[in-house]
Amino acid sequence: EDKVVQSPLSLVVHEGDTVTLNCSYEVTNFRSLLWYKQEKKAPTFLFMLTSSGIEKKSGRLSSILDKKELFSILNITATQTGDSAVYLCAVLNAGGTSYGKLTFGQGTILTVHP
Amino acid sequence: NAGVTQTPKFQVLKTGQSMTLQCAQDMNHNSMYWYRQDPGMGLRLIYYSASEGTTDKGEVPNGYNVSRLNKREFSLRLESAAPSQTSVYFCASRNADYNEQFFGPGTRLTVL
Repeated sequence: EDKVVQSPLSLVVHEGDTVTLNCSYEVTNFRSLLWYKQEKKAPTFLFMLTSSGIEKKSGRLSSILDKKELFSILNITATQTGDSAVYLCAVLNAGGTSYGKLTFGQGTILTVHP
Repeated sequence: NAGVTQTPKFQVLKTGQSMTLQCAQDMNHNSMYWYRQDPGMGLRLIYYSASEGTTDKGEVPNGYNVSRLNKREFSLRLESAAPSQTSVYFCASRNADYNEQFFGPGTRLTVL
């Protein structure tokens, strides 16, 4: 069974801090790993990673995937109160009877204080 | 484009009642999904449909049934609702070529 584990489960920081969120996974036929941000509504897409070692960046957010060690990290630099949200990691299964299955981790709750 | 739409937005049921949650997407996506979200549990996959005409169980399928009515629509049915099914339900769709998954606004269901 596909499995995604995120850590830490919650994190409290002050504005300006840098945070690193972790996502480890086990999946039978890995296709890609996706990061989402959720603020009281439906999740919104941040990044999709398919290749090892290639960093994806969007402003203060960046993410990298290690397919050998089966994990990904999401970095947020110079955090702002607007970054407070639940960050979700998901893996896409590309093979066999689980083709198209997208499994999420339990999420990391990030709280940024002024 | 409306994207992914879900109805209803809110619903209160009594134990034992049945209901169907509707989901539709207008992006011509192949794959559609139903998730439930409970506090501290992330998103748990109930059922998914990788393509029109196929449906498969996810992590927590017990107590639910689904129908992929056509390429646009994927419904979730609770035959006999239980308090443990109180949750927020999200429908999502994905284009097989691009992998990004788009979510509907969610349905908040309470079973008394």
